[in-house]
Amino acid sequence: TQLLEQSPQFLSIQEGENLTVYCNSSSVFSSLQWYRQEPGEGPVLLVTVVTGGEVKKLKRLTFQFGDARKDSSLHITAAQPGDTGLYLCAVNAGGTSYGKLTFGQGTILTVHP
Amino acid sequence: ETGVTQSPTHLIKTRGQQVTLRCSSQSGHNTVSWYQQALGQGPQFIFQYYREEENGRGNFPPRFSGLQFPNYSSELNVNALELDDSALYLCASSLVSSGSKTQYFGPGTRLLVL
Repeated sequence: TQLLEQSPQFLSIQEGENLTVYCNSSSVFSSLQWYRQEPGEGPVLLVTVVTGGEVKKLKRLTFQFGDARKDSSLHITAAQPGDTGLYLCAVNAGGTSYGKLTFGQGTILTVHP
Repeated sequence: ETGVTQSPTHLIKTRGQQVTLRCSSQSGHNTVSWYQQALGQGPQFIFQYYREEENGRGNFPPRFSGLQFPNYSSELNVNALELDDSALYLCASSLVSSGSKTQYFGPGTRLLVL
C-alpha cells in the first residue's frame, strides 16, 4: 500500500484546458511538497505546504493542503505544452528529520499544442 | 553556484555485476540522499549520508551501500546486480543547518541491467 496515492496516473489534455492532480493519504503530515520532473532531469521542487487549508499560487499553478493535512491538490489553469512532465507529491518519511522523502507514484501530464 | 552532478549519465551492466554511481553535491551542501526511480514511478528513498555517516535507510537490501567523502560528494554501490535494479538513480543534496528543507536533485544515472 502506497503512503501517498496520486490520481490520475496519466493525463493527456489540449493546450488551454484546466486540470487538477490529487495526492491522498490516510496519514497526517506536517508538510507536503510538490515536484515536477521533466525527461532526463531530476525532480524540481515547486512548493511546500505546511498549514492545513493552505493555498499557494505559483503563476498558473495553485496548490492546496487539506484541512486535516492528509491530502493535497495541484490545479493548473490554462495548461501549456511547457507544463508537460511528471508531477510528484512527497512527504518527509523521517518525522522531524528531513531529506528522506516518500513520493507518490506520480501523474504523467501531457499537454498537446 | 554549481548544481548537483551525477556520473555516469547512462550505464549498462549484466546480472551479477557490481556498479558504482557518483554524485557531487551542490556547493556547500553537507547531506546527500539517494533514490531509485523505476520507469513511470516516483523515486524511492535508498539512504542518506550526513557528515560521512549513513543517516537513515529505506527498504533496500545490504547489497546497496554508499559512501560520503570529506568534500561531501558521494557514491552509491550496488553489488550482485539484479534485473529489477534497472532504474534511474537520483541523488539529492541539501544543507542541514540552513533551516531550509529544500533538496536539489541531480539529473540521475540511468542503469540498465541485462
